[in-house]
Amino acid sequence: QQQVKQSPQSLIVQKGGISIINCAYENTAFDYFPWYQQFPGKGPALLIAIRPDVSEKKEGRFTISFNKSAKQFSLHIMDSQPGDSATYFCAARPGWNTGFQKLVFGTGTRLLVSP
Amino acid sequence: NAGVMQNPRHLVRRRGQEARLRCSPMKGHSHVYWYRQLPEEGLKFMVYLQKENIIDESGMPKERFSAEFPKEGPSILRIQQVVRGDSAAYFCASSPTTGLSSYNEQFFGPGTRLTVL
Repeated sequence: QQQVKQSPQSLIVQKGGISIINCAYENTAFDYFPWYQQFPGKGPALLIAIRPDVSEKKEGRFTISFNKSAKQFSLHIMDSQPGDSATYFCAARPGWNTGFQKLVFGTGTRLLVSP
Repeated sequence: NAGVMQNPRHLVRRRGQEARLRCSPMKGHSHVYWYRQLPEEGLKFMVYLQKENIIDESGMPKERFSAEFPKEGPSILRIQQVVRGDSAAYFCASSPTTGLSSYNEQFFGPGTRLTVL
């Protein structure tokens, strides 16, 4: 119930293409869904996040789509660039009174954008 | 404003030794979280601390692992009698003071990569 399932494990996209990473969860108490970007040898950095009362959030080339009824959310990277090559993690945070503040992470997607 | 600082960045220990990992949160942040990342896996929550208090240690192994966040100084994650399975990247994150319904971002440090020989 505390798991977040992420797919695909790896992804190769051509420069200018759209990268799509999907996540699914079971625990309906999750109330915050961030995406993190991690470069080799670095810590994760917050990319974009969404609350469950919103179905979509866009920041620049990055968009989160959220389907509450299906308990799924996805990250779309438009016009993918070689500099986007990194590992992406979805995460979810249990609501207050159920482990508030700790993040549950997906297993990661290694994205490679070819020039 | 310096980010979350962790040291050492790399730590090599032999089986049975102790490992001490340090984390200095961002200025003004009073909440610290430790996560462990095994190779090719996502981050797993270990412990959440505020100054001088452990708030949630539900992800900490019951033996050999301990964490503290003293009134003065960095947060420390301590692993006693390390075994090969402890080899991983350990990340610390911090966030500012938060209320129950807020959505404060957790800022991650660069991690400490522990190798147990």
